[in-house]
Amino acid sequence: AQTVTQSQPEMSVQEAETVTLSCTYDTSENNYYLFWYKQPPSRQMILVIRQEAYKQQNATENRFSVNFQKAAKSFSLKISDSQLGDTAMYFCAFMKVDGTSYGKLTFGQGTILTVHP
Amino acid sequence: DAGVIQSPRHEVTEMGQEVTLRCKPISGHDYLFWYRQTMMRGLELLIYFNNNVPIDDSGMPEDRFSAKMPNASFSTLKIQPSEPRDSAVYFCASSPRGGARTEAFFGQGTRLTVV
Repeated sequence: AQTVTQSQPEMSVQEAETVTLSCTYDTSENNYYLFWYKQPPSRQMILVIRQEAYKQQNATENRFSVNFQKAAKSFSLKISDSQLGDTAMYFCAFMKVDGTSYGKLTFGQGTILTVHP
Repeated sequence: DAGVIQSPRHEVTEMGQEVTLRCKPISGHDYLFWYRQTMMRGLELLIYFNNNVPIDDSGMPEDRFSAKMPNASFSTLKIQPSEPRDSAVYFCASSPRGGARTEAFFGQGTRLTVV
């Protein structure tokens, strides 16, 4: 079974600054995806960024980037130039790729991020 | 595409009543998932379907919970009888079978309050 751990229950950052959210995971699988989802107060789950485990290059999506350390089983999210709209709960999630369970996610506990003006 | 559609968005019911949550997945997706979100337990998978067939229901907390997927475009999660500890946000998600968009697409959730 997989586990995902987010050790920061809450984080805060000033607008326009950079913040990094931490995530570690434990698995014996070799083929998997990692995700960061954002949940604003509207409670909609929004995909922020995705990383395939077989790719060494870290994924980036505009102001969002990850630091994927496969050997260390670490997957942190960096948000640059933080905006007020980034205020949300952020979830790290793991998905095994085995041909039978696409989309089945194991979530971390979440990190509440508050961006201050 | 309209995305994953859940109904109702909010449900308030009395303890002991039957509650039915509904989900319409994205057309063409092979997988459908029901998740529950609570403060204490976070996001946990209850059950998932592949091509309308239940694959893993080990997350269903009790026999009071049941889920069905009679066709590719509709699924229900039923709680009978409901209890106050069932109060949570219930998410439905769907996923395609692999490909460039390998991810779970979530509905907006149903906030259930059992009083």
